[in-house]
Amino acid sequence: QKEVEQDPGPLSVPEGAIVSLNCTYSNSAFQYFMWYRQYSRKGPELLMYTYSSGNKEDGRFTAQVDKSSKYISLFIRDSQPSDSATYLCATQRGDSSYKLIFGSGTRLLVRP
Amino acid sequence: ETGVTQSPTHLIKTRGQQVTLRCSSQSGHNTVSWYQQALGQGPQFIFQYYREEENGRGNFPPRFSGLQFPNYSSELNVNALELDDSALYLCASSFRVGRGEDTQYFGPGTRLTVL
Repeated sequence: QKEVEQDPGPLSVPEGAIVSLNCTYSNSAFQYFMWYRQYSRKGPELLMYTYSSGNKEDGRFTAQVDKSSKYISLFIRDSQPSDSATYLCATQRGDSSYKLIFGSGTRLLVRP
Repeated sequence: ETGVTQSPTHLIKTRGQQVTLRCSSQSGHNTVSWYQQALGQGPQFIFQYYREEENGRGNFPPRFSGLQFPNYSSELNVNALELDDSALYLCASSFRVGRGEDTQYFGPGTRLTVL
């Protein structure tokens, strides 16, 4: 079983839709949770960074962490064609282990 | 743009050869991590360098090795290349003070093809 599970998609939505992207994880030691956006043939770009449970909002993006159910979500409001990319969730223990553990990524396509 | 740069952009090697990939970290950062991303997969952690010393290693064989220099730039070396080493190699830099969070910013990657 992978430590972080993510539906690969693709997820296709019309422009303006609310997008919900999700991950589950298995290790309760994870303390930090991230969402990265990766365009084709580019490096991952950090979108959101959260510590422990709760919500964090940044513009059209909201990240949500529920540690009790080991569930991570990213919501995108008013989605745009430029949001079409692969979205990667990642976790980190935050003790002596600094490695990021990624999901496999969800491909999102926002249709004009 | 994160300020993390990698070279070369693309590389083609044959099986059994050796390769060196380079990374310049973002200004002010003291830590470099390397990841391997196979097609359609998330990045997999190779190792991290902090203050010129290896600080954690993923499930990769010893033929994957690295260096960090006093200016915090870094190299990833892979010996005896195998076909399965074909992937996007990503460098991420961060600033660590001590234990706790380690926000990592990625470069554009080097795409390695092994024939």
